[in-house]
Amino acid sequence: AQTVTQSQPEMSVQEAETVTLSCTYDTSESDYYLFWYKQPPSRQMILVIRQEAYKQQNATENRFSVNFQKAAKSFSLKISDSQLGDAAMYFCAYRSARNTGNQFYFGTGTSLTVIP
Amino acid sequence: GAVVSQHPSRVICKSGTSVKIECRSLDFQATTMFWYRQFPKQSLMLMATSNEGSKATYEQGVEKDKFLINHASLTLSTLTVTSAHPEDSSFYICSASFPGLKGTEAFFGQGTRLTVV
Repeated sequence: AQTVTQSQPEMSVQEAETVTLSCTYDTSESDYYLFWYKQPPSRQMILVIRQEAYKQQNATENRFSVNFQKAAKSFSLKISDSQLGDAAMYFCAYRSARNTGNQFYFGTGTSLTVIP
Repeated sequence: GAVVSQHPSRVICKSGTSVKIECRSLDFQATTMFWYRQFPKQSLMLMATSNEGSKATYEQGVEKDKFLINHASLTLSTLTVTSAHPEDSSFYICSASFPGLKGTEAFFGQGTRLTVV
């Protein structure tokens, strides 16, 4: 089974600064998708960004960008110009591209604190 | 984006009773729904994968007789916690994906906080 590892249980960043959250994964597949989800105190899971493994270009969504290193099986999330609303749990997730019914594999999460 | 509605958001039940949690995809047909359990400050643990019209596939260690999952239609899946005990108290989350599209994101319900007293 695929595994997703987030080695940073907690991170903090000053407001307006940049922070990078780490994620590594283990898979024998070549075609898959990677995600970062945000879970604020409301517990609602919100998609932050998605990366297709077959694309070399790193995904970007406004202040959020990823550094996808396929050979190293690394998928880090960079948050620029951090805002107070970014404070949340962040989960890295993997999903196989083999078919549509595949489950998501989640990492253990990183709790991000934004310091005013 | 697509909307998945989960109900109730909070429920308190007495030990020994059963409680049903509903998960609805409001604006798309979800052939597959996933049920997760999340303990405080921990990750989402997949309990089962629910496919419309067929029996759910449970993860190892999850009691299928304890956690009954029904996916009778393309827009509704239910999780029933039977004979609930205090150790079943947790946060339960459902998610659904579009059929026919590989690698699509999962859309999550708001979650249900179950407290068994």
